[in-house]
Parts: sequence; structure tokens; C-alpha cells
Amino acid sequence: QSVLTQPPSASGTPGQRVTISCSGGSSNIGRNTANWYQQLPGTAPKLLIYSSNQRPSGVPDRFSGSKSGTSASLAISGLQSEDDADYFCAAWDDSLSGWVFGGGTKLTVL
Amino acid sequence: QVYLQQSGPGLVKPSQTLSLICAISGDSVSSNSATWSWIRQSPSRGLEWLGRTYYRSKWFYNYAVSVKGRITINPDTSKNQFSLQLNSVTPEDTAVYYCARGYGGNIDSWGRGTLVTVSS
Repeated sequence: QSVLTQPPSASGTPGQRVTISCSGGSSNIGRNTANWYQQLPGTAPKLLIYSSNQRPSGVPDRFSGSKSGTSASLAISGLQSEDDADYFCAAWDDSLSGWVFGGGTKLTVL
Repeated sequence: QVYLQQSGPGLVKPSQTLSLICAISGDSVSSNSATWSWIRQSPSRGLEWLGRTYYRSKWFYNYAVSVKGRITINPDTSKNQFSLQLNSVTPEDTAVYYCARGYGGNIDSWGRGTLVTVSS
């Protein structure tokens, strides 16, 4: 049972916009920023969004993040076939004094 | 650009100790800005942060409650690397283990991962 809650699956067709949610609590997303990671099969997670809404260099601006209260969201616009991957959210938890993760959302590009 | 190179055995017997090393290129384990974590991933437990070490005039350590008492993370400044030791392993410790860097309050870089299977 992951501390952060994500929908297990999402889907969209090329060109569409999809949103993935991440629900946390007052000790994690409520107090700290959220990160989003993309994981392709057999590879390590790759940082997609940090500090809730910042993109590392090299990440397309099709990817955006937001945070409100104890929840965070990842939006992907102009969906492409290469976006077919698993997406995880993460945040520092002040009560646990450690990083917590979501269970992951499998995004399928139809 | 930081690069994290993981090494260690992929098979460990039950009740024995799991040991992995993460060699750092492009940053220093003694950096006053970075933290160095171990994270594992399994189908049953998902992504699970295990612990970290970092240097801020002295060394600090944080460990997850789920593995506290069994885990040790050690920095090695002479080789610019850090290690993971997990004692008394069981098949539930079977997972892909990642080392990772924290920077600016975010985990921003990951090693490639090491599949560790606990089996006799």
C-alpha cells in the first residue's frame, strides 16, 4: 500500500491531453513539493517534473505539473506514442522522515 | 551530469546480507548540496525508499522504518561511493535496487538498478 495514491491506469490517443493525479496528505504533499518520474520498461525512473511544476532541461514542455493542497497532478498534452510508460509521483514526508512514492500509473497510448 | 554506477551480487541466500555499491561520477559523496539514497522496486511493494546519507559538516543518516535495524548505508570518501548493506534478508527483499542522488530537495538522478533475488 503506497503512501501516495495514483490511479493504476490511464489512456489516451495521440494528440490528446491526459492528466494523472497523485493524492497525499498533510505530512507530504501538503507540506512539500511533488516530483514526477517516467519509467520505461526495464529502465530506471527518469525525473520529469520537480518542485511540483518545474521541468528539468531536456523534458518537453508537453509535460506540466501542478499542486493544490495535498494533491499533485501531471498533465501530458499532445500525447505521443513514446509517452507510453509508467508514471510515479514522489514527495518527502516530514512525519516519516523519508521519501514516499505513489503506486504508479500505467499510461497507454492507444 | 552525475553518473551512478551500481555493482553487487544479484543472488543472496535467505538470512544472509545483501551488499551493493554505488560509485559516483560527476559529483562528490561529500557534497554539501547532495544526498545519497537507496530505493528498491518490486511488484508487491512498488517503489520503496530505504534510506540515505549526506554530509553537512558531519555525516547524517536517515533510514526507513520498514528496514530500520537491518540497514546500513555508508559513504566511502576515498572511492567517492556509498554502499548499502541489508541484513537478514528474506524472499520479500527480492527487488530491483537503485541508488539515487538528491539535489535541491529532489531525487534527480538514478543508477541503472540491480535485480537482487533472495533465494537458496
